[in-house]
Amino acid sequence: QVQLVQSGSELKNPGASVKVSCKASGYTFTSYRMNWVRQAPGQGLEWMGWISTNTGNATYAQGFTGRFVFSLDTSVTTVYLQINSLKDEDTAVYYCARLLSTSSTESWSDPWGQGTLVTVSS
Amino acid sequence: SYELTQPPSVSVSPGQTARITCSGDALPRQYAYWYKQKPGQAPVLVMYKDTERPSGIPERLSGSSSGTTVTLIISGVQAEDEADYYCQSADSSGAQWVFGGGTKLTV
Repeated sequence: QVQLVQSGSELKNPGASVKVSCKASGYTFTSYRMNWVRQAPGQGLEWMGWISTNTGNATYAQGFTGRFVFSLDTSVTTVYLQINSLKDEDTAVYYCARLLSTSSTESWSDPWGQGTLVTVSS
Repeated sequence: SYELTQPPSVSVSPGQTARITCSGDALPRQYAYWYKQKPGQAPVLVMYKDTERPSGIPERLSGSSSGTTVTLIISGVQAEDEADYYCQSADSSGAQWVFGGGTKLTV
């Protein structure tokens, strides 16, 4: 079955970097883009952007440019989210989610990874 | 930036019908999608392209669309339906996604 398994929780100091992984299985990895979504404690879902698993090209949402980097390794069917220069407000659960689409303007996510909690605290 | 508006909360008794709305200016031109999230769990897709139900989702969940508002309808609400529900769509270009603020359904 289609499955996305993310790496475990992280505790980081402000200013450090973190790299979250998302391993896909059960489907052709390069056939679907991958989304990243953030959920701060007690808050709603926030779309961060996506990465093409075919080309490696990434699209970042407003507010997620500069310190956030999406990457992938097709040999291990894994996408990565790296956050640099961590701030307290980066504390959140980060989800990867496979992107399904039937056209350039119609897209949704299914399934989602289990989420990775990143805590930024000194 | 583009926004989707949902009511913060909806409360219904077991067996009643819950209606959760999502409003946005681009919804006449863009489909909406719905996700259900229980505490401590990842979101799950429950409706796509306004009215299409993924396999495994109960038939008592349905969707409707009218103008700038889409609605997730849950008939015969059960205790297991209690969760946060998020709508998702895109701007007119389809390049930028957006989520609604979420609606907490209390049964």
